[in-house]
Amino acid sequence: EIVLTQSPGTLSLSPGERATLSCRASQSVSSSYLAWYQQKPGQAPRLLIYGASSRATGIPDRFSGSGSGTDFTLTISRLEPEDFAVYYCQQYGSSPPGLTFGGGTKVEIK
Amino acid sequence: EVQLVQSGAEVKKPGESLKISCKGSGYSFTSYWIGWVRQMPGKGLEWMGIIYPGDSDTRYSPSFQGQVTISADKSISTAYLQWSSLKASDTAMYYCARMEGYYYYMDVWGKGTTVTVSS
Repeated sequence: EIVLTQSPGTLSLSPGERATLSCRASQSVSSSYLAWYQQKPGQAPRLLIYGASSRATGIPDRFSGSGSGTDFTLTISRLEPEDFAVYYCQQYGSSPPGLTFGGGTKVEIK
Repeated sequence: EVQLVQSGAEVKKPGESLKISCKGSGYSFTSYWIGWVRQMPGKGLEWMGIIYPGDSDTRYSPSFQGQVTISADKSISTAYLQWSSLKASDTAMYYCARMEGYYYYMDVWGKGTTVTVSS
């Protein structure tokens, strides 16, 4: 089973700054099957990125995803007040078939 | 509008059974997977399992295999998550989500069902 490790656990930044979130897999992941989600307190998760780098419908272009193999990155180019939240990466593996979530990165206001 | 509507909050005692639901609308319910995700208080997301309502193909996370049952009734566009004997450790928020079957991401989420198990 693939394990996803997200770092850092918490990122303290100011609005306008750039956020770089890491998601590392215990073994190679197909880029097609790597997604990122945002979750705010009291809300369900929201899909941001799929296929490692494709933005979901309605997601602002300040959000971007990159990476391949075992190392993936979510970048928020300029933090807006509404971007302070917890972010999760997720992968799908075919052997055995199933999904895995990373432990999450909290982006908090500095 | 594509949406998933989950059943309401539940308060149960240990040992009781429970079935929560997730009703899809605004899209072809039989053409997408439905996944269930657990979030314990203050913790991260855990994938529990997925079901394809078109043919009821079901896959479980090893962590939840044997602990829960996932099912679907395509005639009413509804998926279910069921426990036969609840434990206090089942206290959590449970989300259902539509999962696209090529890239396997969850693009539409229900608002969640809170399950509290306490004596």
